[in-house]
Amino acid sequence: DSGVTQTPKHLITATGQRVTLRCSPRSGDLSVYWYQQSLDQGLQFLIQYYNGEERAKGNILERFSAQQFPDLHSELNLSSLELGDSALYFCASSVGSEGATGNTEAFFGQGTRLTVV
Amino acid sequence: AQKVTQAQTEISVVEKEDVTLDCVYETRDTTYYLFWYKQPPSGELVFLIRRNSFDEQNEISGRYSWNFQKSTSSFNFTITASQVVDSAVYFCALSQTEMIYKIIFGKGTRLHILP
Repeated sequence: DSGVTQTPKHLITATGQRVTLRCSPRSGDLSVYWYQQSLDQGLQFLIQYYNGEERAKGNILERFSAQQFPDLHSELNLSSLELGDSALYFCASSVGSEGATGNTEAFFGQGTRLTVV
Repeated sequence: AQKVTQAQTEISVVEKEDVTLDCVYETRDTTYYLFWYKQPPSGELVFLIRRNSFDEQNEISGRYSWNFQKSTSSFNFTITASQVVDSAVYFCALSQTEMIYKIIFGKGTRLHILP
């Protein structure tokens, strides 16, 4: 158990809908990262938040957005869903925001499997 | 541009055999980090190792070993005396030093260990 909790574990929804994925980081971790794992694109970094602020952005679509709340949990909002958005969405957390020392790890949750039908 | 290539999409070996998973990376950065993650059938990603670009020493952890060769831009992973529990998808990944967690993953190698 990595200590990172993602809910729900599975989600099935229709095209055009909007869903929210939730992530609770490990206790004490300030950074949250979102990744998408799909058959076509593999595992891709979407976005990072550190202590409530956006820190880095990857290949995140405009239809997707995220936020990190004062209690450090994070939500990934996916809207106008398309069939191609079906994927496993991972959240990871770490203590720091950048690898100054490289001594901290990113711990991954079990993922939310999203199926768009 | 940064890129990680895991040319082996799927590998099957019989239990107790040794197996090596290949990873080749591309980066223009002089300092960077390389990772291996394991994704068992349950789906979570499990961190295995991180290596920075200045440390070319090979590493051994139990039945796992890693061979980092900067000259060939490779970071290969060997499992010795494989076990059925090693069956998983293994991802090699790369990140820039400054943004260590903006990790770029390879497509993964699915490893089947047959009893």
